[in-house]
Amino acid sequence: GAGVSQTPSNKVTEKGKYVELRCDPISGHTALYWYRQSLGQGPEFLIYFQGTGAADDSGLPNDRFFAVRPEGSVSTLKIQRTERGDSAVYLCASSATPTDTQYFGPGTRLTVL
Amino acid sequence: KQEVTQIPAALSVPEGENLVLNCSFTDSAIYNLQWFRQDPGKGLTSLLLIQSSQREQTSGRLNASLDKSSGRSTLYIAASQPGDSATYLCAVRTSGTYKYIFGTGTRLKVLA
Repeated sequence: GAGVSQTPSNKVTEKGKYVELRCDPISGHTALYWYRQSLGQGPEFLIYFQGTGAADDSGLPNDRFFAVRPEGSVSTLKIQRTERGDSAVYLCASSATPTDTQYFGPGTRLTVL
Repeated sequence: KQEVTQIPAALSVPEGENLVLNCSFTDSAIYNLQWFRQDPGKGLTSLLLIQSSQREQTSGRLNASLDKSSGRSTLYIAASQPGDSATYLCAVRTSGTYKYIFGTGTRLKVLA
């Protein structure tokens, strides 16, 4: 079946702009995760959804970052007033339940000029 | 706070060699540990998942071991091939949480 998909695959924006990154999890997966990976580093956790609610948002770096999952399926990561330091690959993962294996999408490469 | 370290950071070996990648973690109260492969510009592919109650998992030429008490895991790759060239990431899920803490990875190059 289809895996986790993320759009766009690449996003280039200017400092100060607003961006939205989309994640389509595997159908039926209740748990959804966002991670951020900077060059040469491992992914860093941002936020975890169980259904529609954010069960753990301890990884969001500041209040410019926000994520939603209004219907318990697709999720959108929103970044306001982007900064050059936000440039990274943003990875989404989903799992059937919180205790199951996490399946990762291909990521969105965000470049802030 | 859980911290995950991977050694070596990079490794270059001739085709056919057996090799070991190392992962260490600071908090032994883990739920599970997972090894991933990442190809350049791509997402993560899960290789092996070891639950905290398990000592090892095997898949084809790959074998991962877990020693919780010493805070270590190893990924053993037998008879390496050029197609194994990638970055290998170790990720730990601490008990009571649902997020993974990743190491910085080992960048493997297998020479033909």
